Amino acid sequence: QVQLVQSGPEVKKPGASVKISCTASGYTFTSYALHWVRQAPGQRLEWMGWINVGNGKTEFSPKFQGRVTITRDTSASTAYMELRSLRSEDTAVYSCVRVGAAYCGGECYFDSWGQGTLVTVSS
Amino acid sequence: ETVLTQSPGTLSLSPEERATLSCRASQSVTRSYLAWYQQKPGQAPRLLIYGASIRATGIPDRFSGSGSGTDFTLTISRLEPEDFAVYYCQQYASSPGTFGQGTKVEIK
Repeated sequence: QVQLVQSGPEVKKPGASVKISCTASGYTFTSYALHWVRQAPGQRLEWMGWINVGNGKTEFSPKFQGRVTITRDTSASTAYMELRSLRSEDTAVYSCVRVGAAYCGGECYFDSWGQGTLVTVSS
Repeated sequence: ETVLTQSPGTLSLSPEERATLSCRASQSVTRSYLAWYQQKPGQAPRLLIYGASIRATGIPDRFSGSGSGTDFTLTISRLEPEDFAVYYCQQYASSPGTFGQGTKVEIK
C-alpha cells in the first residue's frame, strides 16, 4: 500500500533552516505529484507548495515564496522540503501528501499523508 | 485566496444520529473541486470525499457529499462510534489551495 514516511521531529532556533524528508513506497514515485502542508497549533491546515516529481518543477504559496524549497531524489523515492529563516510562527506539524490521481498537479485532493514532522522553533 | 468557513465548530450527537456539516467558500469553487477529510487524534487526515460528492476508495456509503458553487455539505447518515472525529474541507480549484478550520463531531 502507499506509504509516505517522514523524518523525525526537529528543534531549531529562529533564523535557522530545516529540511524534512518524505520517503514514498507502494507506488511509482514519479507518477504522482507531492505537496507539503502544515498545521500550526490551533490553526487550520495550510498549503505550502508542490513538486511535479516527474520533472522537478515546483510551485509555492505566495506566503512561503522565497523561503521554501521542495526537491526530490527519484533514485531514493524521496522528496524534501526546506524552510529557511525560521521564526516562532513556523512551529507546526509539516506533512507531505500525495495527490489523489496521477493526472493531478497543483490543483488536487490528497489521498495519502505522511505521519507528520513536528518542527519547533524556539530560542 | 478562497477562505473556507465550516460550521458548526462542534457537533454533539449520539451514535446512529445523522450529522450534517457545512463548508462555505468566500468565492465560487469551480469544477466542484472540494474535498472532505476525517482526522482522529494522533492520526493523519483521511480522504473521504473529492469532487464534492465522489467517495474515496473504501469509504462507507454512510458518508456523502453534496453542493456546488460556494456551499457544500458532508452528511454522515448514521453515526458509528468510529466516526467521532474532526472533519475538514479543502478547495483545490484555485491556488493556493485552502482548508476550512474544521468541525469536531463529538459524542453527546
